[in-house]
Amino acid sequence: EAQVTQNPRYLITVTGKKLTVTCSQNMNHEYMSWYRQDPGLGLRQIYYSMNVEVTDKGDVPEGYKVSRKEKRNFPLILESPSPNQTSLYFCASRFSGVGNTQYFGPGTRLTVL
Amino acid sequence: TQLLEQSPQFLSIQEGENLTVYCNSSSVFSSLQWYRQEPGEGPVLLVTVVTGGEVKKLKRLTFQFGDARKDSSLHITAAQPGDTGLYLCAGGSGYALNFGKGTSLLVTP
Repeated sequence: EAQVTQNPRYLITVTGKKLTVTCSQNMNHEYMSWYRQDPGLGLRQIYYSMNVEVTDKGDVPEGYKVSRKEKRNFPLILESPSPNQTSLYFCASRFSGVGNTQYFGPGTRLTVL
Repeated sequence: TQLLEQSPQFLSIQEGENLTVYCNSSSVFSSLQWYRQEPGEGPVLLVTVVTGGEVKKLKRLTFQFGDARKDSSLHITAAQPGDTGLYLCAGGSGYALNFGKGTSLLVTP
């Protein structure tokens, strides 16, 4: 089954404790991205990757890091989480063309105390 | 970032009613997509439109891309409770896909 998986689905942590949210896709997609979704602000792109070892900032990259060492994986790293990073996070992937179907993961609900 | 404005922000209707949701921008897009998101899940693609003036139908849902490729509409005929969800439009240009804030639709029996 074609899918994007994220782990964990739910996470409660404390300020400053480094964490990683994993994302994996099994569709051989070149393009992967991370979004955060907040009430009243919609979906905002954090980082994206056009292929292995090629990443770039989205609209809200501050406080986040990413890496793309393998085509299928695109982890999101919060080195020192803060309460304003409490949000619902989605990983997504698609083939390169912007008109292609973008598949979203199930989401990770993160709370930073 | 190219902004997409969706209206209305919230919509609550009775089963059987018709409705239209709008997605507007001052920017031209090479393609425009509509997604539906249900609580606790990721958005799921409904349709992609790429040609100005294009109309696509998906059962009771009709999608239209504006002639100038700056706006789009989603019309639902005879809404059902299963149509409840957050409807998101997304405009594509280059590699970027920019999302509107969404229209939250509630259809009550």
